[in-house]
Amino acid sequence: DAKTTQPTSMDCAEGRAANLPCNHSTISGNEYVYWYRQIHSQGPQYIIHGLKNNETNEMASLIITEDRKSSTLILPHATLRDTAVYYCIVRATTRGGSEKLVFGKGTKLTVNP
Amino acid sequence: DTGVSQNPRHKITKRGQNVTFRCDPISEHNRLYWYRQTLGQGPEFLTYFQNEAQLEKSRLLSDRFSAERPKGSFSTLEIQRTEQGDSAMYLCASSPLPRSYTFGSGTRLTVV
Repeated sequence: DAKTTQPTSMDCAEGRAANLPCNHSTISGNEYVYWYRQIHSQGPQYIIHGLKNNETNEMASLIITEDRKSSTLILPHATLRDTAVYYCIVRATTRGGSEKLVFGKGTKLTVNP
Repeated sequence: DTGVSQNPRHKITKRGQNVTFRCDPISEHNRLYWYRQTLGQGPEFLTYFQNEAQLEKSRLLSDRFSAERPKGSFSTLEIQRTEQGDSAMYLCASSPLPRSYTFGSGTRLTVV
């Protein structure tokens, strides 16, 4: 499974953009990059995913470098409710043909007023 | 679409007792996953179903753990002879395709 590396924690001011980096230097050509977040005492929430093109949805933007060895999740206007642990995940495919998500420890993002 | 439902939300049990958790996925989601999460760690994969077939089991899923998904709908996760190390949040997720998984709120197990 491709591994990901994220900073342990980050801070962001409310209303500013939050840029969360992730390194995945061993990613394979057919592996997607997923971002999830987990607010305290809740299950992880899907944010966005991509293969090689930049992606944007109503929650965030995902910027993937051309060599695909790293990516950045951008929350354009962070709010206090965006305080959470953010997980960058490279989706693995097991030999049985199933797909599982391998979570690391993620980045604890704190949005400050 | 009511989301992924997990019951109970909390369970306290004595060491050595058996416990069973239930997960109701989003209807028509053929993929169902179980994860375990301990304090300060990310979720760890336990097992995966496609319809009623259990296609993958983690080494974390010892012989005291068993999961079923009869008829490809809801799923149960049973832990026999619970140990204090089993204390964790047990999360269920479902998806119609291998992407954009939807997680439930989890069952928090405390073994005393």
